[in-house]
Amino acid sequence: ETGVTQSPTHLIKTRGQQVTLRCSSQSGHNTVSWYQQALGQGPQFIFQYYREEENGRGNFPPRFSGLQFPNYSSELNVNALELDDSALYLCASSLGRQNMNTEAFFGQGTRLTVV
Amino acid sequence: GEDVEQSLFLSVREGDSSVINCTYTDSSSTYLYWYKQEPGAGLQLLTYIFSNMDMKQDQRLTVLLNKKDKHLSLRIADTQTGDSAIYFCAETFAGGGNKLTFGTGTQLKVEL
Repeated sequence: ETGVTQSPTHLIKTRGQQVTLRCSSQSGHNTVSWYQQALGQGPQFIFQYYREEENGRGNFPPRFSGLQFPNYSSELNVNALELDDSALYLCASSLGRQNMNTEAFFGQGTRLTVV
Repeated sequence: GEDVEQSLFLSVREGDSSVINCTYTDSSSTYLYWYKQEPGAGLQLLTYIFSNMDMKQDQRLTVLLNKKDKHLSLRIADTQTGDSAIYFCAETFAGGGNKLTFGTGTQLKVEL
């Protein structure tokens, strides 16, 4: 049990819709990262938030956006859903300063299916 | 660019040792990690090694790092059926914060 919780656990959406995924970070952690894991693949970095500001972004289009709140919980928003967005979305929290490597703790993920 | 590769599948008998291999291309790695993922679950950090180390041992797990060849391995001694899972190696880079670049994953199957 890592103390990182994600909701919902499973979600089915229709192509073109919008979705919001949520992550509560481990107590005391100020950094949240989001990853997309397609079936049979390794996780791919989407973006990271440190103290409510974006701190790095992977190769994902602008329709993937995020937010981090003052309590360090986070949301991942995806607009105009496409079939290829179907994946497991993982959130990881850590305690760190900007550009420092510290251990990341992962949640159980949200399984998104786009039909 | 960043590229991390692993073999897709490994099958071992219970009680034997398992060795899972990983190669990476970027020489500016700072930390290298091994994660375990069981079906339908998130990622569990098993162990990690700093890039200036050659070896790290943690109970049944031994990590070997050959920086010259950009090769990382994870040895699991006395492999048990509960070790059956997908194993990912991952790396972070200097100045990259906690951005993890993952490999493709190796599915370990432990047979009786």
